[in-house]
Amino acid sequence: AQTVTQSQPEMSVQEAETVTLSCTYDTSENNYYLFWYKQPPSRQMILVIRQEAYKQQNATENRFSVNFQKAAKSFSLKISDSQLGDTAMYFCAFMKASGTYKYIFGTGTRLKVLA
Amino acid sequence: DTGVSQDPRHKITKRGQNVTFRCDPISEHNRLYWYRQTLGQGPEFLTYFQNEAQLEKSRLLSDRFSAERPKGSFSTLEIQRTEQGDSAMYLCASSPGQGRQPQHFGDGTRLSIL
Repeated sequence: AQTVTQSQPEMSVQEAETVTLSCTYDTSENNYYLFWYKQPPSRQMILVIRQEAYKQQNATENRFSVNFQKAAKSFSLKISDSQLGDTAMYFCAFMKASGTYKYIFGTGTRLKVLA
Repeated sequence: DTGVSQDPRHKITKRGQNVTFRCDPISEHNRLYWYRQTLGQGPEFLTYFQNEAQLEKSRLLSDRFSAERPKGSFSTLEIQRTEQGDSAMYLCASSPGQGRQPQHFGDGTRLSIL
């Protein structure tokens, strides 16, 4: 069975600064996908960034980038130039690249961006 | 793309009552998922539909829970004889046929059991 661990329940960062959220996972699969989702207060979960395990290059989306270390089973999210709108719960998710493609989520990290 | 729609947004009911939630996925998405999210936890998988077929159910889905997706369009999740432990956010998500595409989530239905 796969597991996802987010060891930082809460974090804060000053506006315009950079913050890194940690995620580790455990799996015996070789083909899979990893995701970071953002869940603002009382709003729906939206995709931040996706990484295919077969790609060595780290994914980037504007101010968001990941550090994917497959051997270490680590998938951290870096947010550059943090903005007040980045305040949210951030969930790391694992998806096996076969079967039902269901997600296994971590427990989340609550990020607060301070003005 | 109107997004995934869930109804109601919030449901308050007494213990022992039955409740039903509805999810309307993005129209061209044939894959539909239900998750449950309790306070301080990440969402946990409940069940999966591909078109109208329910292909996987989590052990979290006790016999008081039933889900349907008639005609492969909207889906309903019913909880019979609700218990305090059923209080949670119920999330619906959908994705297109390739499966490897990211899931799109609805706003969720928050269930509160009195």
